[in-house]
Amino acid sequence: ETGVTQTPRHLVMGMTNKKSLKCEQHLGHNAMYWYKQSAKKPLELMFVYNFKEQTENNSVPSRFSPECPNSSHLFLHLHTLQPEDSALYLCASSQAAGGRNSPLHFGNGTRLTVT
Amino acid sequence: DAKTTQPNSMETNEEEPVHLPCNHSTISGTDYIHWYRQLPSQGPEYVIHGLTSNVNNRMASLAIAEDRKSSTLILHRATLRDAAVYYCILRDYNQGGKLIFGQGTELSVKP
Repeated sequence: ETGVTQTPRHLVMGMTNKKSLKCEQHLGHNAMYWYKQSAKKPLELMFVYNFKEQTENNSVPSRFSPECPNSSHLFLHLHTLQPEDSALYLCASSQAAGGRNSPLHFGNGTRLTVT
Repeated sequence: DAKTTQPNSMETNEEEPVHLPCNHSTISGTDYIHWYRQLPSQGPEYVIHGLTSNVNNRMASLAIAEDRKSSTLILHRATLRDAAVYYCILRDYNQGGKLIFGQGTELSVKP
């Protein structure tokens, strides 16, 4: 148990579907992150939220839409995805974005398959 | 972002020490050296971090070269549970402290 819970663990969706990934942390952290891990590639940082404000969007296509209603919850809304978007999507949290003694705590990810 | 270079894979025997190297010749004065690991079917897990001095915690030790151009993660007694991909990452807090992952080293532990 990492303290960061992601649901669902697995998701299969068609290219015309709309779905959402959910992340929840009960660690009292103020920063939350979305990463994408494709097969045979390094983790890619997608979005960063610090105190509910988005501070980083790493040139992510608009078919991925993040939402951070409070410091404990983070969503990734998905629509009109492509097969190449199939990947493991990882959520993480930390005390504050960029804090020197603030390691990231990761969830175990949502395995997304786009058909 | 400053880059790190790690071997693609390493192998060790159970209960033996293992030294995982990382080169970061372009490190800047404000970069902290972080190590994370990712066990199969899990998200990455923080291991240790340091700036200039060697660091120890319950999981591992981090040895940092005097010129900071390289570092070594030391697992003192490898267990089967230590089989994972280990990532060496430079984190510049003057640039927002983003955690940017490379390919990492895949560590295999033989019984």
